[in-house]
Amino acid sequence: EVQLVESGGGLVKPGGSLRLSCAASGLTFSTYTMNWVRQAPGKGLEWVSLITSSSTYKDYADSVRGRFTISRDNARNSLYLQMNSLRADDTALYYCARVSSAFYGMDVWGQGTTVTVSS
Amino acid sequence: EIVLTQSPGTLSLSPGERATLSCRASQSVSNSYLAWYQQKPGQAPRLLIYGASSRATGIPDRFSGSGSGTDFTLTISRLEPEDFAVYYCQQYGDSPVCTFGQGTKLEIK
Repeated sequence: EVQLVESGGGLVKPGGSLRLSCAASGLTFSTYTMNWVRQAPGKGLEWVSLITSSSTYKDYADSVRGRFTISRDNARNSLYLQMNSLRADDTALYYCARVSSAFYGMDVWGQGTTVTVSS
Repeated sequence: EIVLTQSPGTLSLSPGERATLSCRASQSVSNSYLAWYQQKPGQAPRLLIYGASSRATGIPDRFSGSGSGTDFTLTISRLEPEDFAVYYCQQYGDSPVCTFGQGTKLEIK
């Protein structure tokens, strides 16, 4: 069974840092482009970041560019999101999601990890 | 940045009725890069449509996608009780490479 499991969320003070992880199983992780997508409480989906299979290309939403860094370790089947200079509006449920190898769409999602930024 | 605007914000219909959801882009989007998702409360999103009109694996044929350029549509031909949810369109393009629409809530009338 293909599975993505996020971890690393929690409560952090404004200006603090957090590192999210996404563990992949049941798939050849190293062949897939991966995304982070977030959802603030009661709000819609917001794309955060993307990384290609071999990490050659990375991109970020303007709202997190310069503060967040996406990375991956294909040997460990893991995706990461380093989040620095956190703000209250970064509070959200963070999902990792796989881009299909056959088409442009996110066909596998994790259940998410919650990040709360509050003093 | 390509902005996706979905309408209506909320759609109130009854089971058995037809639902038509709109997604309008601020710039032209390649059909290959337009997808639709369904999200139910407490669940992760689920891919419904990719390439503007192709159904993802396991998606019933009452769901269909159409459109091109800047105007795209998701149609649910005959609503089932389990279809009441929030729907999002999403596109891949130039940096930032991905954006979502703000969503349409489909609620039971």
